[in-house]
Amino acid sequence: EADIYQTPRYLVIGTGKKITLECSQTMGHDKMYWYQQDPGMELHLIHYSYGVNSTEKGDLSSESTVSRIRTEHFPLTLESARPSHTSQYLCASSGGSGSYTGELFFGEGSRLTVL
Amino acid sequence: QKEVEQNSGPLSVPEGAIASLNCTYSDRGSQSFFWYRQYSGKSPELIMSIYSNGDKEDGRFTAQLNKASQYVSLLIRDSQPSDSATYLCAVFLSGGYQKVTFGTGTKLQVIP
Repeated sequence: EADIYQTPRYLVIGTGKKITLECSQTMGHDKMYWYQQDPGMELHLIHYSYGVNSTEKGDLSSESTVSRIRTEHFPLTLESARPSHTSQYLCASSGGSGSYTGELFFGEGSRLTVL
Repeated sequence: QKEVEQNSGPLSVPEGAIASLNCTYSDRGSQSFFWYRQYSGKSPELIMSIYSNGDKEDGRFTAQLNKASQYVSLLIRDSQPSDSATYLCAVFLSGGYQKVTFGTGTKLQVIP
């Protein structure tokens, strides 16, 4: 069973608040990802990291930022939340190399609602 | 054209039947292919990986890959109501931007 944890699982906040979604994994994986998914819709990659001090933006433009100071930790931050940020945020990691990079382990997700 | 295309469904099959899920991809440089299962309100879970042409079997699941046709499929034999979920096809493309691209998913309903 994958050991990747996300907190909080559910968050309801007001517009303009700063929030940080936490993601930690205990598998020593070098690659970590953040996906955004609305109910019944497809996954969109918003950020990824291939190691410490390495972060890149994904396919979907996002106002969030990420950091990777430690291998096991990949937090996502929204400086000023808006209702358009309401969504499910999924963190994933991969320890594979080459073709095995696509074997992702997902956390349980953080469902964010911005009022 | 989407990079990974799937029929959104729902695909309804009776219990005990074979469910066949299909996926096409656009980039011929794609190296590896995956099927993820996502129950409603849950996160995706990897169920099958396939890296070369042909069939790969794991229990009731068989993944099939045809790189010439750019086609991936997943067969679920003896379908059970617990198989009811959305099945996501994912493709890994190596190179400068190593990324996993997901299809929109096919919703499978297994009718008891």
